[in-house]
Amino acid sequence: SQTIHQWPATLVQPVGSPLSLECTVEGTSNPNLYWYRQAAGRGLQLLFYSVGIGQISSEVPQNLSASRPQDRQFILSSKKLLLSDSGFYLCAWSVLQNTEAFFGQGTRLTVV
Amino acid sequence: KQEVTQIPAALSVPEGENLVLNCSFTDSAIYNLQWFRQDPGKGLTSLLLIQSSQREQTSGRLNASLDKSSGRSTLYIAASQPGDSATYLCAVRPSGNKLVFGAGTILRVKS
Repeated sequence: SQTIHQWPATLVQPVGSPLSLECTVEGTSNPNLYWYRQAAGRGLQLLFYSVGIGQISSEVPQNLSASRPQDRQFILSSKKLLLSDSGFYLCAWSVLQNTEAFFGQGTRLTVV
Repeated sequence: KQEVTQIPAALSVPEGENLVLNCSFTDSAIYNLQWFRQDPGKGLTSLLLIQSSQREQTSGRLNASLDKSSGRSTLYIAASQPGDSATYLCAVRPSGNKLVFGAGTILRVKS
């Protein structure tokens, strides 16, 4: 069966520090991968998605970037965190763009 | 631009009651609609997926319907239990490669 792993579960980082969140999927090949952010009291917002290795699409301009160095690995990064980057970050995958999406357990990021 | 609205924002019911959560979307051009459950501080758990050609899907005590032409979906929960307490999220997949989410309905089932 397929599983998705995200880490760390929680993270407290100072303003201006770098960020690296990792997501890996097991049990499937060539998944579509997604990074979403959930801000307090707001719906989920798509940040990046990837349909293959090295292929990244950005949905919103921001202080973050994403990379997909391996088929089942998706990384969310920042060179210098801002206070506004705080939130709950969720990784997701689907087989195709019109099939069921599955989410990881999320990373709670607090920038102080 | 696709927008998704969920009503009510919060709901509190006694155990055993049947309940309906509502989801509406502004653009009927969607691939599918998916209902999720989110427990506090946790990720999303997929409950039901309805393809655009389908009218409803059922899983246990859950039944989701889709009326694409009117831009509406409902999630029906039968015989609610305290363990059903969570935030329920509706998301549509328009043409493209992303899900557009509603803000969710916070459900509390009292024992």
